[in-house]
Amino acid sequence: EAEVAQSPRYKITEKSQAVAFWCDPISGHATLYWYRQILGQGPELLVQFQDESVVDDSQLPKDRFSAERLKGVDSTLKIQPAELGDSAMYLCASSRGRDTGELFFGEGSRLTVL
Amino acid sequence: GQSLEQPSEVTAVEGAIVQINCTYQTSGFYGLSWYQQHDGGAPTFLSYNALDGLEETGRFSSFLSRSDSYGYLLLQELQMKDSASYFCAVGSSYKLIFGSGTRLLVRP
Repeated sequence: EAEVAQSPRYKITEKSQAVAFWCDPISGHATLYWYRQILGQGPELLVQFQDESVVDDSQLPKDRFSAERLKGVDSTLKIQPAELGDSAMYLCASSRGRDTGELFFGEGSRLTVL
Repeated sequence: GQSLEQPSEVTAVEGAIVQINCTYQTSGFYGLSWYQQHDGGAPTFLSYNALDGLEETGRFSSFLSRSDSYGYLLLQELQMKDSASYFCAVGSSYKLIFGSGTRLLVRP
């Protein structure tokens, strides 16, 4: 069964350092999402891609976060510099289209900023 | 703006039935989804309602009333493995916005 792949699973970094997360969606899924989930809360949408284009990044802290999906397949989310408040689970998801309620999530990348 | 409300915690007994409600306020609404998440795991899709009515998938059912901006997830024949967090998520303007989740504890 196809899965969304994410790496790394765990990342510990010091504040002010740079960190990057990678996501490979299910083959053929045009829509890719990055969500951030703080412990005890629901996932918060950071950025949404349709193919290689950003269609929503209204909640992305653009002074320190960036995301790209250059060839419309895999994607990278970067944080520079990391802050203590960035400690969270970063979840990547994909879907066949934009108007769907069924997202397929990866296992996530848990970030701890010291 | 957008808002979703669901209870923070629900406790039920193994074998019982539990209903988790979700009310929402949003524009550009196109559907309501439910996801399950076990501690340390990723959210997994349970159900999706685009139209009013009840959708049944095994022990789980989901209901939507668009006129009331309300939906619920019904879990029957509860099992210990159903202990998890359950999130409603509204499809709004081609984005899926998640609620804060309901933690379900199933007791023996």
